[in-house]
Amino acid sequence: GAVVSQHPSRVICKSGTSVKIECRSLDFQATTMFWYRQFPKKSLMLMATSNEGSKATYEQGVEKDKFLINHASLTLSTLTVTSAHPEDSSFYICSARVGGKDEQFFGPGTRLTVL
Amino acid sequence: GESVGLHLPTLSVQEGDNSIINCAYSNSASDYFIWYKQESGKGPQFIIDIRSNMDKRQGQRVTVLLNKTVKHLSLQIAATQPGDSAVYFCAENDGGFKTIFGAGTRLFVKA
Repeated sequence: GAVVSQHPSRVICKSGTSVKIECRSLDFQATTMFWYRQFPKKSLMLMATSNEGSKATYEQGVEKDKFLINHASLTLSTLTVTSAHPEDSSFYICSARVGGKDEQFFGPGTRLTVL
Repeated sequence: GESVGLHLPTLSVQEGDNSIINCAYSNSASDYFIWYKQESGKGPQFIIDIRSNMDKRQGQRVTVLLNKTVKHLSLQIAATQPGDSAVYFCAENDGGFKTIFGAGTRLFVKA
């Protein structure tokens, strides 16, 4: 149990386009979902926390207009990278948490390459 | 929550030996700690966790030690196997929603 999926696993796009990444909790309801980005040989950096039905809380330095997060249901959160640029190329990872519990379950990640 | 430095610290061990991976955490208010394993191109995988009211917890082949006095966490892997080769991250949670990751250590297991 406690499986989190991400789609797509890889995406290549042109500079200036927008890309949407989906994060789904497959067998549980996630009251909170988190989005991280990871550069090569670096740690995971928390970008934002989203609770179902409310606006996401962004970490300092993360542009909310650039990284749009929607958590429309208890099993789905989406991250849209708007007007993507090569410096947005990264590994994006989501995680999901059940209300009242500490453990987070991580998705497999999405590799974004912006040309 | 970002890692420091340009490269991940690396630990190289012989197959069958024990591995000890260390981590310093930053927030004295953190009360829940987790070790994750990340293989190349994949998301983090939960290994073991520990709460601040404990100083040691054991799992299958893994042990986590917590020293709150010096804000230090360690992961011990017994009888390290080639399949243990990965990057290991410690993470801390202050009882709120957020889990913050440490810098990570790359473990190489030599056959």
